[in-house]
Parts: sequence; structure tokens; C-alpha cells
Amino acid sequence: GDSVTQKQGQVTLSEDDFLFINCTYSTTTYPTLLWYVQYPGQGPQLLLKVTTANNKGISRGFEATYDKGTTSFHLQKASVQESDSAVYFCALVYQGGRALIFGTGTTVSVSP
Amino acid sequence: GPKVLQIPSHQIIDMGQMVTLNCDPVSNHLYFYWYKQILGQQMEFLVNFYNGKVMEKSKLFKDQFSVERPDGSYFTLKIQPTALEDSAVYFCASSLVGQIYEQYFGPGTRLTVL
Repeated sequence: GDSVTQKQGQVTLSEDDFLFINCTYSTTTYPTLLWYVQYPGQGPQLLLKVTTANNKGISRGFEATYDKGTTSFHLQKASVQESDSAVYFCALVYQGGRALIFGTGTTVSVSP
Repeated sequence: GPKVLQIPSHQIIDMGQMVTLNCDPVSNHLYFYWYKQILGQQMEFLVNFYNGKVMEKSKLFKDQFSVERPDGSYFTLKIQPTALEDSAVYFCASSLVGQIYEQYFGPGTRLTVL
């Protein structure tokens, strides 16, 4: 069945460092791949969407790309700030586009 | 931006009791969802709801679970009776029809079953 795997549980960085988070996915359909971000005390919110049509999404300095050959998709940011400290989830749209499958999340901690 | 509210933020009950989790979705959204997250694990889809009906449900959505949204009020998840394994954080979400990928999530209700 459809699935996503997010192996990085924790990433610790300093301000202006480069952020790179990776997920792998499995699906029999054309994927819509998502990155959600969750700040403390809040629910997850959509950060970026990537489809086979656009291959790349950009928002708030973050960039998401996917690689069909390795069935992986990435989230990166060139220079992180302390305010980027949050939990980042990769997700996949499935079941005819009516539900999301989430990865286990990557906790990103950025120190000033 | 649009906000989804969840009431209460934390609920503690004894095993076997009934519990109702409440969600106030974004006002113009018509698709509603519940997800369950056990501590340290990924958030998992339970059910979605549209036009007064359950559209899809996962195997986690046991017979003891039910959802409804009477008269456009709160979208609720009821568990009756509760079991120890129901302890988790439950997230409600809503979306526009046709924009299922952009779900707006509430902050979650932490349910503890003793």
C-alpha cells in the first residue's frame, strides 16, 4: 500500500546553516507529495506541495523537490533561522485524494 | 489564517466511559477529518466526513468510534466505550472540497484513558 518513510528524527542546527530533510515514498499512483510544519502548541500546517507536474515547490525560503527514480522527496532551506525550529512532516495524498499519510516527523532545532 | 479549534485540549477519563471530542472547523470548509497520533509515532488517518456522511475510514476507526456534525455545529468524534489503547492526541482537520491536500489542522486533543 501507499506509505512514506521519514528516518531523520532530530536535526540540530545553528542559524544560517543549511537544512536538508529527506523522505521516501511508495505509491502506485502519481504522487502528490507534501511538507507540513508543526510549531509548538499548534496543529500541522501545509508548507509545500510537489506534484509530478511541477517537480518543485517553493515557499517561505523552503524548497521541496522529488526524485521519481529513487522515490524520494526532499525539503531544504539554504539558511535557517531560530524561528524555523519546528517539527516537519512529509506526507502523501492517497485514497483517491481524500486522506493524507504522514511520516513520523523530523524535529528541527535551530540555535541562535 | 483560517483556524480550526478543538475542545477540550486535554481529557482524562476512565476506561469504559464515553468521550466526545469537539472540533470547530474553518467556516467555509466542507470536508472534515480526524487523525490519531500516539506519542512518538506518526499521525494516522481515522476518518473523513462530507455532506453528513463518512466518506472513508481506516482500520483504526473501530466500531466504538462515531462521527457527526449535527446542524453545522461542532464536528465530533465519539468513542464509546473507551479502551486503554485509545490514549493519544486526536487532531481534527478541515479542507475545501477539491483541496484535500491543504488540510487545516486544530491543535489537537490529548486523550488519556486510565
